[in-house]
Amino acid sequence: RKEVEQDPGPFNVPEGATVAFNCTYSNSASQSFFWYRQDCRKEPKLLMSVYSSGNEDGRFTAQLNRASQYISLLIRDSKLSDSATYLCAVKSGANNLFFGTGTRLTVIP
Amino acid sequence: NAGVTQTPKFRVLKTGQSMTLLCAQDMNHEYMYWYRQDPGMGLRLIHYSVGEGTTAKGEVPDGYNVSRLKKQNFLLGLESAAPSQTSVYFCASSYSSAVNTEAFFGQGTRLTVV
Repeated sequence: RKEVEQDPGPFNVPEGATVAFNCTYSNSASQSFFWYRQDCRKEPKLLMSVYSSGNEDGRFTAQLNRASQYISLLIRDSKLSDSATYLCAVKSGANNLFFGTGTRLTVIP
Repeated sequence: NAGVTQTPKFRVLKTGQSMTLLCAQDMNHEYMYWYRQDPGMGLRLIHYSVGEGTTAKGEVPDGYNVSRLKKQNFLLGLESAAPSQTSVYFCASSYSSAVNTEAFFGQGTRLTVV
C-alpha cells in the first residue's frame, strides 16, 4: 500500500469557484503534513504546513483528520494563477518524506 | 542565496552508461533527499541522508547509489543506466526532521536514457 494516496484529478474549475483536495496516508504515526504546489516543469514549493488544529492562509485552508488519516486543502475564490499541481506530503518515520501523486488543477476564465 | 542547486539540468544517456547527479545546498541543512518524478507516480524517494557521512534507502533505491561526503553535497549515481531510469530527478533538503520542517527543492534534472 502506498504511504500517501491522492486523487490525480484533473480538476477544471471556473474562476471564483471553491475546490477541495483530499489526501490519505497509511502510517498512523505520521507527524508532519504539508501541501506543496508544483508549476509545470518546475520544482515543488511549499504552499503550507498542515497543523492538527487546521490552518488558514488567505484563500487556502488546510485540515488534518487523524482519526480518518487524511489531510485536505480548500481553495476559495479560485484565481487563474492557482492553476498548478498540488502535492500532499507526509513525514512518516524519523526521516522519510513521502508525496502523493499530485492533483492537477486548472482554473478556467 | 542559491538554496538547492542541481547539476546538470538536462542529460541524455545511452543504456549502460554511468553518470552522477550533483546536489548542493548552501542552507546548512542536515537532511537531504533524492526523488524521482514520473507521470502518474508522483515523487518517489530514492535515497536520503540525515547528515554528513550517512545515507539510507528510500522507496525505490535499486539501480542508484548515493554519497554524502560533505554536508552541503549529496550525489546520486547511476552505475549502468537503463531506460526505466528516464525521469525527472529532484533533490531536496531540510534543516531537521522536526515536525513541520519545510523541504526545499532543487530545479530538477531531466534525464533520458536511450
